[in-house]
Amino acid sequence: GAGVSQSPSNKVTEKGKDVELRCDPISGHTALYWYRQSLGQGLEFLIYFQGNSAPDKSGLPSDRFSAERTGGSVSTLTIQRTQQEDSAVYLCASSRSREQFFGPGTRLTVL
Amino acid sequence: GIQVEQSPPDLILQEGANSTLRCNFSDSVNNLQWFHQNPWGQLINLFYIPSGTKQNGRLSATTVATERYSLLYISSSQTTDSGVYFCVVPFGNEKLTFGTGTRLTIIP
Repeated sequence: GAGVSQSPSNKVTEKGKDVELRCDPISGHTALYWYRQSLGQGLEFLIYFQGNSAPDKSGLPSDRFSAERTGGSVSTLTIQRTQQEDSAVYLCASSRSREQFFGPGTRLTVL
Repeated sequence: GIQVEQSPPDLILQEGANSTLRCNFSDSVNNLQWFHQNPWGQLINLFYIPSGTKQNGRLSATTVATERYSLLYISSSQTTDSGVYFCVVPFGNEKLTFGTGTRLTIIP
C-alpha cells in the first residue's frame, strides 16, 4: 500500500521567508510525528499528533515553528521567518500502534 | 531522557562479509526499532523488536530487554546494505530517540 508521502521533496528559500511543508500519513494511522535531521546527525523530535488529543509540541525549537493536522490526516509544518540554522531534512512519520513509518523527507535549504 | 549508544560508529567491510551492530540503551523500553537510512536519506524499517529475535532474509535482530541491548546481524553483505543503521527507542508518548548510528560501507 501507499507509504507516508511528503511535499515538496526539496525547498530552497531565502532567509526571513515563511515555508510550509506537507505530510500525508499512511491511511488509518492515528499518530503523526515530525522530526528534523541536520547534516550527518540523528533525528530530532519536533511535534507529535495522536488522534484528537492536544499535540505534544515539546520538541519545537522556537515559536517560529508550528504544525497543524487537519481532519486527523494531512499535516502541515510551518516555519516562519526562516533562518539558516533551519536548513535540514524534515521527516514525517506515522503509526497505528508503536511501529513508526517514515516519509522520504523534505530537504530545506535556507540561503 | 533515555540514552542510546550504538557501536561501532563506522564499519567498512568487503562484500560477502558478516557483521554485528550493537545498541545499548540506558532505561527499560517497550518498543525498539532498527532502521536503515540509505544513501538517499530514506529511512527504511528493518525490525520492530522490543524483545526476542526476528529474522528477515539476510538480516536478523535480537533484543534482550532485561540487559538493555539489541543486536542487528547482517550476513553476506551487499553493496546495497551501505548506509547508516539507527537503533531507535521511544521516550514519552512514543517520541523516538535515535541512537548515534552505525555507518556501514560495503566495498565491492
